[in-house]
Amino acid sequence: DGGITQSPKYLFRKEGQNVTLSCEQNLNHDAMYWYRQDPGQGLRLIYYSQIVNDFQKGDIAEGYSVSREKKESFPLTVTSAQKNPTAFYLCASSIGLAVETQYFGPGTRLLVL
Amino acid sequence: QQPVQSPQAVILREGEDAVINCSSSKALYSVHWYRQKHGEAPVFLMILLKGGEQKGHEKISASFNEKKQQSSLYLTASQLSYSGTYFCGTEKNSGYALNFGKGTSLLVTP
Repeated sequence: DGGITQSPKYLFRKEGQNVTLSCEQNLNHDAMYWYRQDPGQGLRLIYYSQIVNDFQKGDIAEGYSVSREKKESFPLTVTSAQKNPTAFYLCASSIGLAVETQYFGPGTRLLVL
Repeated sequence: QQPVQSPQAVILREGEDAVINCSSSKALYSVHWYRQKHGEAPVFLMILLKGGEQKGHEKISASFNEKKQQSSLYLTASQLSYSGTYFCGTEKNSGYALNFGKGTSLLVTP
């Protein structure tokens, strides 16, 4: 079955620690996205990538980094510079960037210890 | 810029209708609608394109008024399964990433 997988489902971060959230898709989609969801805030775009080895900052990229070395993978690193990382993180993909349906993964909930 | 959704929340009895609005201060190329159930991933409902027609999906339909930079989602004869948070995502031009609104929480009661 084609789809998007995110792991882990829950992740705990200690102060000053970097953590990486995994996102893998087998839909052969070119575009991938990372969103952060906080209660009452909707979906806010962190980073997106239209093609391998290329990515752009979204609205709230500070404190985050990404890589796109393979078409099917778009990991997100939450760095220690992100002072308020507790949130629900959603990864999505689409065939292309323009006017395309986005398919979302199940999400990772990040909690700070 | 983040589109504005209204209302923030709505409670319906099964069988009642609802309208959710999505407004932008900028000209729009397309509007996307998604529904998210608690703890789950958002699921695509429909896309409305500039110059396009009103779309429908079962008893859920939507319209896109380009001049007003506004889209409305219509839920008729609501079912319990319609409960969730509805998000609109707007695209200011072809090839740009979506900006999502803060969502409208919909609860359908028996």
